[in-house]
Amino acid sequence: EAGVAQSPRYKIIEKRQSVAFWCNPISGHATLYWYQQILGQGPKLLIQFQNNGVVDDSQLPKDRFSAERLKGVDSTLKIQPAKLEDSAVYLCASSPSRQITYEQYFGPGTRLTVT
Amino acid sequence: EDKVVQSPLSLVVHEGDTVTLNCSYEVTNFRSLLWYKQEKKAPTFLFMLTSSGIEKKSGRLSSILDKKELFSILNITATQTGDSAVYLCAVLSSGSARQLTFGSGTQLTVLP
Repeated sequence: EAGVAQSPRYKIIEKRQSVAFWCNPISGHATLYWYQQILGQGPKLLIQFQNNGVVDDSQLPKDRFSAERLKGVDSTLKIQPAKLEDSAVYLCASSPSRQITYEQYFGPGTRLTVT
Repeated sequence: EDKVVQSPLSLVVHEGDTVTLNCSYEVTNFRSLLWYKQEKKAPTFLFMLTSSGIEKKSGRLSSILDKKELFSILNITATQTGDSAVYLCAVLSSGSARQLTFGSGTQLTVLP
């Protein structure tokens, strides 16, 4: 079974620029998550989708971050404009269901550096 | 606000040693506790614990949950250099969102 795919793997931008990340979850997985992992910290959930609907975006800084999963499969996360503190690894994860017995499978992440 | 605290923050041992990593939590509507191993890439799943007192074991790794005292431990016996990684503890809450809240991790370094 193919894993969660993310691109790009690395991105360097200047502050105030825009950036977009892409995630393709494991085939058939209904639930998709975007996490932000700052160096030395655990991943922090930004947004959770169930199919193409948002389940939880309470920790997404909506003034600059947006995410969509239009067809309920792949997803994009956008930052505009970027700030220095957005430098982090952005992890995408998917799971078959929101049921508690299923673990989340993580993609390789996109490392963003904002200069 | 849900909270997960891991200790120690970092640990350096030699091959063959046994280590115990700790995870304590304060979470509303607790459902499960998960352990992940993170090398220089995405976290990989190790264990999911839902019931108190039942040890889960995979090779040299084992873990147990205490829902009364709100903590879990991850044991690694006969450590190898390949065990060097960050070990993340996460708690799954129930409710409409059912989200994972992660701790900051324990950085384990195993020296030859």
